[in-house]
Order: sequence, then structure tokens, then C-alpha cells
Amino acid sequence: QQQVKQSPQSLIVQKGGISIINCAYENTAFDYFPWYQQFPGKGPALLIAIRPDVSEKKEGRFTISFNKSAKQFSLHIMDSQPGDSATYFCAATDELNSGGSNYKLTFGKGTLLTVNP
Amino acid sequence: DTGVSQNPRHKITKRGQNVTFRCDPISEHNRLYWYRQTLGQGPEFLTYFQNEAQLEKSRLLSDRFSAERPKGSFSTLEIQRTEQGDSAMYLCASSLGRIQYFGAGTRLSVL
Repeated sequence: QQQVKQSPQSLIVQKGGISIINCAYENTAFDYFPWYQQFPGKGPALLIAIRPDVSEKKEGRFTISFNKSAKQFSLHIMDSQPGDSATYFCAATDELNSGGSNYKLTFGKGTLLTVNP
Repeated sequence: DTGVSQNPRHKITKRGQNVTFRCDPISEHNRLYWYRQTLGQGPEFLTYFQNEAQLEKSRLLSDRFSAERPKGSFSTLEIQRTEQGDSAMYLCASSLGRIQYFGAGTRLSVL
């Protein structure tokens, strides 16, 4: 059972455009939603994260929008740059039931973003 | 280097052989995680350590897999009697809190 569904699988955007990646989750116990960026040959790196009591979080060109009732959240990359070309993963964790200890992540399948110059 | 270090970066082995991977977490990080990532998929949780105690194991971690974290520092992941289905990237992450820092992974190819 895939608990976090991510789309699209791949995305091509022109430089300066907006990249949008969507995720949906099933487990209502999830209470922390990070996005990770992964370049080839590297491990995933935290990009931005949100809690469900906030509808939007912005950090520079990156914005997370969160819809708790729909159990959906999305990543928007404004003014996309060729250097943003990477694989992006949404993820979720259930902090409350982990007892504040095990923050294991449940990942989506990833979106390969290509930003053309 | 203050990041998470994993060795080896690549491992090619024949089916049936045993392999061991090592993860050196960021100093003083008490939490350590192992994940497995196959092509076209996101990382999947395998196991979690808090200090030296292994507190959770995924159902993905069959009896052929064993992980240790002696003295709460580095960790090892051993796969016995490897199968072709074990071919994947094995990622290690460490944290003090909820933000996990990942290593570059060990890519295992089982021939």
C-alpha cells in the first residue's frame, strides 16, 4: 500500500518557469511533511518542510501548499533554474505516535525535474 | 568532513555471497536510519537505531539482513546469502531531531 502518492513522475520546465509537484497521503496520523531534493550520486537533502496546521510555507523560491482536508500537499518552485534539475521526493512522518523518537520517513516515488536553459 | 559517510560507495557481488556496508553518522547524532532505494522509487525505511539500541525494523528487513550500531557510533548493515532482488541503493541517515541527513549511499549490484 503506497501511503504517499506523488505526481508527475517527470517534469520538464523552461528556465524561469514554475515547477509544480503534487503529493497525496492516506495516513491521517502523518503530521510532518518534508520535501527532499536528490542529485545524481548524492543522498536526499532536506529542501523545505511543513506541518499540517499551516496552509503554506515559503522559503526563497520554494513554497509548500498544504490542504489538510484533501490530504494533499504540493511543492512550487518559482523562477526555476537549470541548477534545480534533480529528483524531488515528498515525504511524511508520524511524529506523535513515534513518541518523539523515531522520525522514520515515508517517501513518494519521486519526480525527475529537468529545467531547460 | 561533517556529513554522513557510507562505505563502500559501490559493491558488486555474486548471488549467495555475504556483504557488509558501513555508515558513519554525523558526530553526536543519536538517531540513525537505514533505507533502501530501488530504481524509480523513493527510499523505503529499513531500520532505526537510537544510540546503540535498534528500536524498529521494517518487514522489508528479512532474516538475511542484520544491522548493528555498537557503542552508538557507526553502524553496519549485513546481507547474508544475497539475492538479485537485493540490488538497490542502501542509504543511511542520521539526526538529532526530525531533520535527517543522508549519506550518498552504497549501491549494491547482485549478479
